[in-house]
Amino acid sequence: DGGITQSPKYLFRKEGQNVTLSCEQNLNHDAMYWYRQDPGQGLRLIYYSQIVNDFQKGDIAEGYSVSREKKESFPLTVTSAQKNPTAFYLCASSEGAGTEAFFGQGTRLTVV
Amino acid sequence: AQKITQTQPGMFVQEKEAVTLDCTYDTSDQSYGLFWYKQPSSGEMIFLIYQGSYDEQNATEGRYSLNFQKARKSANLVISASQLGDSAMYFCAMREGRPGGYNKLIFGAGTRLAVHP
Repeated sequence: DGGITQSPKYLFRKEGQNVTLSCEQNLNHDAMYWYRQDPGQGLRLIYYSQIVNDFQKGDIAEGYSVSREKKESFPLTVTSAQKNPTAFYLCASSEGAGTEAFFGQGTRLTVV
Repeated sequence: AQKITQTQPGMFVQEKEAVTLDCTYDTSDQSYGLFWYKQPSSGEMIFLIYQGSYDEQNATEGRYSLNFQKARKSANLVISASQLGDSAMYFCAMREGRPGGYNKLIFGAGTRLAVHP
């Protein structure tokens, strides 16, 4: 079955550590996105990519980094520079501008 | 700059009645797409309906319809015959459609819908 997979589902991190969230899709989509969601809030765009080896900052990119070495994969690293990383992170992909984005199940990151 | 506004933090509706969730948007582009998603308490994002800026007819998908008023830059979601399972967060989203451009997909703050029996 085609889809988008995020792992892990739950992640705990100590303060000062970097952590990488995985996002893989087998839908052959060009565009991929990372969002952050805080409790009771909307989705805020962190980074997005429309093609391999290229990506753009979203609205809240500070403290995060991404790579897009393969079409299928768009990992997100939450660095120690991110002051308040505890949140729900959602990855999405889409085929083109006029089509809906498909979402993964999300990763809930908690800093302990 | 792109912007999506959902002014209703929470809405209540009686089961079997219709409800309208408001969404206004701002963009300088002529080509764009508008989306509605549902997010149950499990956290998954469920696509509901899509409207293209050049579509003349309002989009419909089963019990969902999108009331698209381009001049007013509004894209309200209408849910007919509400069901208890419709209780969730609802997000309006927009993506500009510039060919070859960097097309952000941005979301509004959401509306929490509660359906009462």
